[in-house]
Amino acid sequence: EAQVTQNPRYLITVTGKKLTVTCSQNMNHEYMSWYRQDPGLGLRQIYYSMNVEVTDKGDVPEGYKVSRKEKRNFPLILESPSPNQTSLYFCASSLWGGTLAKNIQYFGAGTRLSVL
Amino acid sequence: AQSVSQHNHHVILSEAASLELGCNYSYGGTVNLFWYVQYPGQHLQLLLKYFSGDPLVKGIKGFEAEFIKSKFSFNLRKPSVQWSDTAEYFCAVTNYGNNRLAFGKGNQVVVIP
Repeated sequence: EAQVTQNPRYLITVTGKKLTVTCSQNMNHEYMSWYRQDPGLGLRQIYYSMNVEVTDKGDVPEGYKVSRKEKRNFPLILESPSPNQTSLYFCASSLWGGTLAKNIQYFGAGTRLSVL
Repeated sequence: AQSVSQHNHHVILSEAASLELGCNYSYGGTVNLFWYVQYPGQHLQLLLKYFSGDPLVKGIKGFEAEFIKSKFSFNLRKPSVQWSDTAEYFCAVTNYGNNRLAFGKGNQVVVIP
């Protein structure tokens, strides 16, 4: 079954304790992305990757890191989490078609993070 | 940068009523347009999309959307809603030349039985 898998689904942590949220897709997609969803703000892009070793900042990258060492995996790293990073996080993936990409992004089930 | 506007964040209506959600985007060039739906506690699912061709697109569960290029709009409609349509609806746009989705802030729709 084609899917985007995020782990963990729920996470409670404390300020400053490094954490990683994993994202894996089995569709051989080139493009992967992380979003955070906050009430009244919709989804905002944190980082994205167009292929292995190619990553770039989205709209709200501060406080986050990513890596893309393998095509299927795109982990989100919070080196020193703070309470304002409490949010619902979604990973997504799609094909990457270049200039007029008719590509649909598929979303993972989400990770609800609370930073105390 | 592309921006997407959705109005009337909270919508409450009765079953069998008609639903229309507005979506406007800022970038006037070539775009791909999407509506995603998020049912309570679930992830985003694609409701419908527009890439090119007929500006009236039909999606799942009886939803449709109309692309009006001159108005930079992509409004979502359903003639008769059901309780199971209670969800949050997001309009999203990708710019020509990249795959970055810009989302609107969403419409929280509650359908009362």
